[in-house]
Amino acid sequence: GDSVTQMEGPVTLSEEAFLTINCTYTATGYPSLFWYVQYPGEGLQLLLKATKADDKGSNKGFEATYRKETTSFHLEKGSVQVSDSAVYFCALGGGSNYKLTFGKGTLLTVNP
Amino acid sequence: DAGVIQSPRHEVTEMGQEVTLRCKPISGHDYLFWYRQTMMRGLELLIYFNNNVPIDDSGMPEDRFSAKMPNASFSTLKIQPSEPRDSAVYFCASSRIRATDTQYFGPGTRLTVL
Repeated sequence: GDSVTQMEGPVTLSEEAFLTINCTYTATGYPSLFWYVQYPGEGLQLLLKATKADDKGSNKGFEATYRKETTSFHLEKGSVQVSDSAVYFCALGGGSNYKLTFGKGTLLTVNP
Repeated sequence: DAGVIQSPRHEVTEMGQEVTLRCKPISGHDYLFWYRQTMMRGLELLIYFNNNVPIDDSGMPEDRFSAKMPNASFSTLKIQPSEPRDSAVYFCASSRIRATDTQYFGPGTRLTVL
């Protein structure tokens, strides 16, 4: 079945550091890929998405490119802020499952 | 739009009591999802509905859990009787056209069973 594997956390960075959170997937067909973010005490919210190979999703300085050849959708940001501290979830939808499949989440802490 | 609305935001109850969680999805969304989040198990899909009809309830832990969607604007998740291991944050989410579309999450209900 479909699955998502994302790097284990927690990840701790200093403000203005470069961020990469790795995400790889296994799926049949042509899934859509998502990154969701969960701030403390809140629900998940969509950060960005890509619906086909080579698409780049971007939002709030975050980017991720749908790489079919490496089955990856790594999240990057050039300069993180304290306000980016949150849990980040990679997800896929539209493979063999008729629902979203989420990764386990990566906790990011950014220190001033 | 108001977003997905959940109530209550916090619930503290004693073991054996009945608990009812409520959700109002975004208007016009055809799909509604119930998730549970714990530190140990992460985010788990419990059940989802399409046009008020339950489609997949394979994630419902046991018969103590039940979910209903009597109309397009309201759903409930009930636990009877509740147990301490049910303590978690329960999220409701909705999506517009497909279950694999962007899902919009509510703020969650934090349930504590003593």
